[in-house]
Amino acid sequence: RKEVEQDPGPFNVPEGATVAFNCTYSNSASQSFFWYRQDCRKEPKLLMSVYSSGNEDGRFTAQLNRASQYISLLIRDSKLSDSATYLCVVINSNSGYALNFGKGTSLLVTP
Amino acid sequence: DTGVSQNPRHKITKRGQNVTFRCDPISEHNRLYWYRQTLGQGPEFLTYFQNEAQLEKSRLLSDRFSAERPKGSFSTLEIQRTEQGDSAMYLCASSTRDNPYNEQFFGPGTRLTVL
Repeated sequence: RKEVEQDPGPFNVPEGATVAFNCTYSNSASQSFFWYRQDCRKEPKLLMSVYSSGNEDGRFTAQLNRASQYISLLIRDSKLSDSATYLCVVINSNSGYALNFGKGTSLLVTP
Repeated sequence: DTGVSQNPRHKITKRGQNVTFRCDPISEHNRLYWYRQTLGQGPEFLTYFQNEAQLEKSRLLSDRFSAERPKGSFSTLEIQRTEQGDSAMYLCASSTRDNPYNEQFFGPGTRLTVL
């Protein structure tokens, strides 16, 4: 079982829709949490960190539930430019600073 | 451009050949990471350097793989006796010394195809 599991997707949504991605992690020693975005054939880029209290960045909201070992990303008012793969990422305190990635969830926003 | 750079961007080789990739991190970053990504998967951690010291290696890093960062700046990843299963995107990332949980900045990757 992979350490970080994500909805497999793909998610196809119309412009303006709200879409939510879920992620679970298995290592209770996980210490830091992120969402990265990866465009087709490009490198991953940090979208946002995820804090215990939840955090928002414009149309994007990230939530963390440590008890359930669950992370979510909500995108409101989807834009065509949001089409990408969204990668859930955790860092474990007992494995240096390596990023542990989920497989990613593909999002396609259509006109 | 002051981002992470990687060379070559693409490499096609025959099975059994050796290949070497180079990564130049952001200049003030002392931490450097190598990852491998195959189609439909997220990147998988291979190894990590702090300055010139290789501090962590994944079990994915078989004996055929070796990485160096001799002067704490650029790094090389060598694969000996390549196999078809080595075909993947090899990504390098770097991060700053001050906060290890800071954002890791990725290079554009080297896409390896083993025929």
